[in-house]
Amino acid sequence: EVQLVESGGGLVQPGGSLRLSCAASGFTFSSYWMHWVRQAPGKGLVWVSRINSDGSSTSYADSVKGRFTISRDNAKNTLYLQMNSLRAEDTAVYYCARQMGATWGQGTLVTVSS
Amino acid sequence: DVVMTQSPLSLPVTLGQPASISCRSSQSLVYSDGNTYLNWFQQRPGQSPRRLIYKVSNRDSGVPDRFSGSGSGTDFTLKISRVEAEDVGVYYCMQGTHWPHTFGPGTKVDIK
Repeated sequence: EVQLVESGGGLVQPGGSLRLSCAASGFTFSSYWMHWVRQAPGKGLVWVSRINSDGSSTSYADSVKGRFTISRDNAKNTLYLQMNSLRAEDTAVYYCARQMGATWGQGTLVTVSS
Repeated sequence: DVVMTQSPLSLPVTLGQPASISCRSSQSLVYSDGNTYLNWFQQRPGQSPRRLIYKVSNRDSGVPDRFSGSGSGTDFTLKISRVEAEDVGVYYCMQGTHWPHTFGPGTKVDIK
């Protein structure tokens, strides 16, 4: 069974940092582009970042460029999102997704508040 | 960024009746490889999104055949032939042709 499990969310103060992880199983992780998508409470879906299968190419939404870094460890079947300089507007459920949304994790909530 | 619009934003439906959601993009979604990367997602209350349709009209595995997608260029449609109670939720179109990928605002489907 294809499965994505996010972790690492929590409460952080403005200006702080968090690293999200997404553990993948049930498929050949190293063959797929992976993505992070977020959803603010009661709002719609917003694409945050993507990374190609070997990690050599990344893209970011303008709202997170320079603050967030996507990476992956294909040996560990894990996707990461390093989030720095967090702002209140980054508060959201963060989902990892495989191959442009074919599979989603359950999400992890990030709350940025003092 | 490519702007995705959907209509209606709210869709009360009667069980067993058809439903249709329109999605329009501000630019053509035809990619250089000839494919059109327009997907549809369903998000049931309290759940993660689930992809229903990819590349305009291809149903994902396990998706009931009452769901169908159509369209081309900048105009797309998701149809539910006969709405069932489990179809309640928010439906999003999403374009994967241009970066950043963008979603429509969502259409909330509920039962009258």
